[in-house]
Amino acid sequence: SQQGEEDPQALSIQEGENATMNCSYKTSINNLQWYRQNSGRGLVHLILIRSNEREKHSGRLRVTLDTSKKSSSLLITASRAADTASYFCATDARGSQGNLIFGKGTKLSVKP
Amino acid sequence: EPEVTQTPSHQVTQMGQEVILRCVPISNHLYFYWYRQILGQKVEFLVSFYNNEISEKSEIFDDQFSVERPDGSNFTLKIRSTKLEDSAMYFCASTEQGQRAGELFFGEGSRLTVL
Repeated sequence: SQQGEEDPQALSIQEGENATMNCSYKTSINNLQWYRQNSGRGLVHLILIRSNEREKHSGRLRVTLDTSKKSSSLLITASRAADTASYFCATDARGSQGNLIFGKGTKLSVKP
Repeated sequence: EPEVTQTPSHQVTQMGQEVILRCVPISNHLYFYWYRQILGQKVEFLVSFYNNEISEKSEIFDDQFSVERPDGSNFTLKIRSTKLEDSAMYFCASTEQGQRAGELFFGEGSRLTVL
């Protein structure tokens, strides 16, 4: 898989359910970030987890990072229709000049 | 809340024409970036800019592309001779401390359509 590859590509759930999205990457990283993009809009930063952290919470978001497996997951609990968007992970690879490498994203649809 | 603003929101141009996309980063930010997203595809890094010079650029950012900070507030991306494959959303982003430190603040994007 490519750097920052999310799965599933698309996820459809009912309001109130939890949504889990996964991201895998190839190279060592300084940090991993998750962004959200509403259709046709800009990217909004959700959460950043550093390479020495294993879990982080922000409101209804929970991010985990497993550097041994080079993977991360984003959990949105008690989803709402307003959570409908595409979610991207982005990595800042060690040894790079610091540019972010984005995955293809997971398109989440939350039905009311 | 401060935000990154981009103009135009949508530009349609003929192949071979020059295009300038404009961005006003958040005022106290020092690092500026351009990314692009072809419809349905990944967001791709183009270039980063710090201290009035390019600090990194991707393979996409060839001689047809240039960036400038002409007046201390605007940050522009110029495509000298547009090609059909340049059609994409172009996002400007800025950050205070550089990408290693944390989040990027993105604008809403400029949609470029090359006919």
